[in-house]
Amino acid sequence: DTEVTQTPKHLVMGMTNKKSLKCEQHMGHRAMYWYKQKAKKPPELMFVYSYEKLSINESVPSRFSPECPNSSLLNLHLHALQPEDSALYLCASSLGTGFYEQYFGPGTRLTVT
Amino acid sequence: KQEVTQIPAALSVPEGENLVLNCSFTDSAIYNLQWFRQDPGKGLTSLLLIQSSQREQTSGRLNASLDKSSGRSTLYIAASQPGDSATYLCAVPDSNYQLIWGAGTKLIIKP
Repeated sequence: DTEVTQTPKHLVMGMTNKKSLKCEQHMGHRAMYWYKQKAKKPPELMFVYSYEKLSINESVPSRFSPECPNSSLLNLHLHALQPEDSALYLCASSLGTGFYEQYFGPGTRLTVT
Repeated sequence: KQEVTQIPAALSVPEGENLVLNCSFTDSAIYNLQWFRQDPGKGLTSLLLIQSSQREQTSGRLNASLDKSSGRSTLYIAASQPGDSATYLCAVPDSNYQLIWGAGTKLIIKP
């Protein structure tokens, strides 16, 4: 099973809302990633978790707060977002943070109004 | 600093044709190269990962080649089908294991 699942598929939120994105994998991978992708652009790395510890934070604003409750789950908590944060948010996982193949989920399409 | 380029940005071919997508990188000291497919508004599907020690990797109608010395990889798609229409991205990891991405080639297969 090489599947990464993400919920919800679509999310519309106001600038004062708090919401969370969820990502799950059951491949035994120990590295998990959050990416942000704007239309017609490649993904931009936001966060990397390795063995449930945050290892990379690409200077992402604090209105995005990642959480890794266990080795299979990755959350992205959203608060006080701006309209420019509207994008496709992708989760990925890999065996580790070395030179391993990354597997991506279907993404959450986020619209901030 | 590694840079990855994909040319052309868009390609339209009739169904049934064989085609080649290109990916170039500036630093030949790569560990591997990964090809992805992305349908509009969807996530990325990993197609092939080719290790630096490999020259080719095949999966069904897809064949990826790697020439480190010239800084190039190609993705060959045989007997193209309308279902192959998508954006194809290549990526190489940098020394911090983070993927450096090309901008993608949007492929349209005309029935």
